[in-house]
Amino acid sequence: EIVMTQSPATLSVSPGERATLSCRASQSVSSNLAWYQQKPGQAPRLLIYGASTRATGIPARFSGSGSGTEFTLTISSLQSEDFAVYYCQQYNNWPPEYTFGQGTKLEIK
Amino acid sequence: QLQLQESGPGLVKPSETLSLTCTVSGGSISSSSYYWGWIRQPPGKGLEWIGSIYYSGSTYYNPSLKSRVTISVDTSKNQFSLKLSSVTAADTAVYYCARQPVLGGMDVWGQGTTVTVSS
Repeated sequence: EIVMTQSPATLSVSPGERATLSCRASQSVSSNLAWYQQKPGQAPRLLIYGASTRATGIPARFSGSGSGTEFTLTISSLQSEDFAVYYCQQYNNWPPEYTFGQGTKLEIK
Repeated sequence: QLQLQESGPGLVKPSETLSLTCTVSGGSISSSSYYWGWIRQPPGKGLEWIGSIYYSGSTYYNPSLKSRVTISVDTSKNQFSLKLSSVTAADTAVYYCARQPVLGGMDVWGQGTTVTVSS
């Protein structure tokens, strides 16, 4: 089983600043990595797939990078609506199998 | 646009079977480009993939839940369903259904439904 570890658990950043979230896989997942944003009481929203491809409608301030076992989600110039919990997820294309990280809470500093 | 809606009992007794249905509207479940899956989130905790199904009926389950999970599809109704047997309080969670592109990720989600396991 592939284990996904996110860091830090909580990140405090001021509006307008940059946030960098990390995700590490226990073994290589190639570029089969997605990022999600979840706000309280809402379903997760897909931000990034393929490690670096923004999903439809996602603002350009969200960017993903990495491959293998180390991945990063960067949010440049944080907006008020960006404060939420972020999850990374690895997906094995065949057979389909998905594992989430434990989440990083991005809070207002 | 595509929408997914979960439905089913909000309260299930311990040892019984949890049953949920996801209705897909605004698009066809019979697309070769997508899997359809179930994900859950216990109160205050993270996300856990339960399993997925292809329109042909091929199923893929989380190994940790495989012995208790059955996912089925009804293409005539544009629905897919989840059954989780022998539930305990640890199965209390918000249950989501989602569309999963074959290329990866989960791009459309239902709003989620809360299921509580309690006598």
